Amino acid sequence: EPEVTQTPSHQVTQMGQEVILRCVPISNHLYFYWYRQILGQKVEFLVSFYNNEISEKSEIFDDQFSVERPDGSNFTLKIRSTKLEDSAMYFCASTLTSGDTGELFFGEGSRLTVL
Amino acid sequence: QKEVEQDPGPLSVPEGAIVSLNCTYSNSAFQYFMWYRQYSRKGPELLMYTYSSGNKEDGRFTAQVDKSSKYISLFIRDSQPSDSATYLCAMSPLGGSRLTFGEGTQLTVNP
Repeated sequence: EPEVTQTPSHQVTQMGQEVILRCVPISNHLYFYWYRQILGQKVEFLVSFYNNEISEKSEIFDDQFSVERPDGSNFTLKIRSTKLEDSAMYFCASTLTSGDTGELFFGEGSRLTVL
Repeated sequence: QKEVEQDPGPLSVPEGAIVSLNCTYSNSAFQYFMWYRQYSRKGPELLMYTYSSGNKEDGRFTAQVDKSSKYISLFIRDSQPSDSATYLCAMSPLGGSRLTFGEGTQLTVNP
């Protein structure tokens, strides 16, 4: 069964460092997303991406965050200067069609710990 | 008022019990309603997906949406220990690209 894969599974970084989280969405999917989940809290939307541009972003997704699809398979989330409050599980997701957000497939997540 | 409210539990039931999980919401624009299952430190896994009001059944799982009451439910029949997980409701508007999640209900099914 096709799946969304994410790397690394866990990253520990110092406050102020740059972090890049990587995702390989399902191959024929066209819409890509990042969500995050702070420990003990709800899953929160960060950003959606289609046709090489951001289609929607939340208030969490400030100038410290950026996303990129550098090639035909990878989708990355960059945090330029990490803060303690960026510690969370980051989930990549993808779906085939626009607006069909119910058929959203999530990866296993990348746990980010900022010290 | 939160857009989506879900009782976090925890909920503990004996094996074989019928489980009822619920969410309420305040945003009338929500049209797609989903239930995800999340095991500890794993990604959410889609269980049920419903558009607008009505019921949908898939094996032991039944999802119900009542848009007039802004209330959705997930029923699990003949619950199994392997059903022990956190269940997340999620919803989105028509044409929207973001899901809004509930806090999740932690379920334990005891053998």
